[in-house]
Amino acid sequence: EDQVTQSPEALRLQEGESSSLNCSYTVSGLRGLFWYRQDPGKGPEFLFTLYSAGEEKEKERLKATLTKKESFLHITAPKPEDSATYLCAVQFIQGGSEKLVFGKGTKLTVNP
Amino acid sequence: NAGVMQNPRHLVRRRGQEARLRCSPMKGHSHVYWYRQLPEEGLKFMVYLQKENIIDESGMPKERFSAEFPKEGPSILRIQQVVRGDSAAYFCASSLSSYSNQPQHFGDGTRLSIL
Repeated sequence: EDQVTQSPEALRLQEGESSSLNCSYTVSGLRGLFWYRQDPGKGPEFLFTLYSAGEEKEKERLKATLTKKESFLHITAPKPEDSATYLCAVQFIQGGSEKLVFGKGTKLTVNP
Repeated sequence: NAGVMQNPRHLVRRRGQEARLRCSPMKGHSHVYWYRQLPEEGLKFMVYLQKENIIDESGMPKERFSAEFPKEGPSILRIQQVVRGDSAAYFCASSLSSYSNQPQHFGDGTRLSIL
């Protein structure tokens, strides 16, 4: 059973068309939830860390929010340069050590 | 990515050969993580190392795979007797600590192709 599920798998938007990406998780004892952006042929680039329900973080056109079992990445008035795969990861304690588990990502395409 | 450096960026090996992937963490980071990414799959954790110590290798196959992070020099992920199924992108990440207030920062990966 996947511990981190991202939806949708792929999303196509027109420039300026706002939308949200979802990340739901089943782990208990959340230590942090991370959002990354990954461009083709590149490594993931860190965007945000969220720690507790109700927390929000913003960066340019992106806003990340967290509830008890899911996180949303809201994209306001996206531009073509926002096209990328967005990865969500959760960190929790398992077997006495910190674990970081990634979802499969949402591939976002923004058309001009 | 001005931080984590991985080389080579692309590596081609024939079945049965050895593959060595190198990772230099960001300056000041002593925690290194290796992940494998297959097409349409998420990043899968392999191993977590600190200088001269393997902290968690629960995600690494027991056979043919090994990792090290020596006192001096880069971290190395070694795959012996490679098979076609080892073809993937391998990413290294580093952090200041293992706690969630210190995010992992990634290199641009090594794409391993097995002929």
